Amino acid sequence: DAKTTQPPSMDCAEGRAANLPCNHSTISGNEYVYWYRQIHSQGPQYIIHGLKNNETNEMASLIITEDRKSSTLILPHATLRDTAVYYCIVRETDSWGKLQFGAGTQVVVTP
Amino acid sequence: GAVVSQHPSRVICKSGTSVKIECRSLDFQATTMFWYRQFPKKSLMLMATSNEGSKATYEQGVEKDKFLINHASLTLSTLTVTSAHPEDSSFYICSARVRREIYNEQFFGPGTRLTVL
Repeated sequence: DAKTTQPPSMDCAEGRAANLPCNHSTISGNEYVYWYRQIHSQGPQYIIHGLKNNETNEMASLIITEDRKSSTLILPHATLRDTAVYYCIVRETDSWGKLQFGAGTQVVVTP
Repeated sequence: GAVVSQHPSRVICKSGTSVKIECRSLDFQATTMFWYRQFPKKSLMLMATSNEGSKATYEQGVEKDKFLINHASLTLSTLTVTSAHPEDSSFYICSARVRREIYNEQFFGPGTRLTVL
């Protein structure tokens, strides 16, 4: 049972901002939103996570709507190396920390 | 950030043999590690949770006798695919959990490509 919904694919021009949407309408109060990405044939890489406030780090920004039912990952200046599958995951801060991956969004950055 | 390594990165074996994959946390201790499997063009599927000093917890549908997990130390977990068959060919990825303040963070290994002939 998928907790998140993402578009299957998205193209983005190099140098432009990439805005990746994620719907998580059944998110509960103690669940965080995590974003990972996976470059082809590599292990996933952590990008960012948040609870309800917007977050920014050196890789990306995370915008979470006030009702927390959706979020957007923003890559401010996409490069060719950002081509990857991006996964949006909701997860409780429990002691086990399991991550359940959905289908993700295949992002292709073009020159 | 924390570094997780896997060995080997790629392995080819004959049907019926067993293959062991190692997952190591290089610069931190991990009481919990996770094993995932990924088929081509598919998402990662969690197989099991590996806990140091105790038995692994397997996800529904994953055969524990087929996929043996040993977490003998705080920096090493191993996955052994026993009596491998071609349908076991897949990309196997491990991750290690690091507890930071009030949330958990996971760091992933680079993956192991298993091909069973």
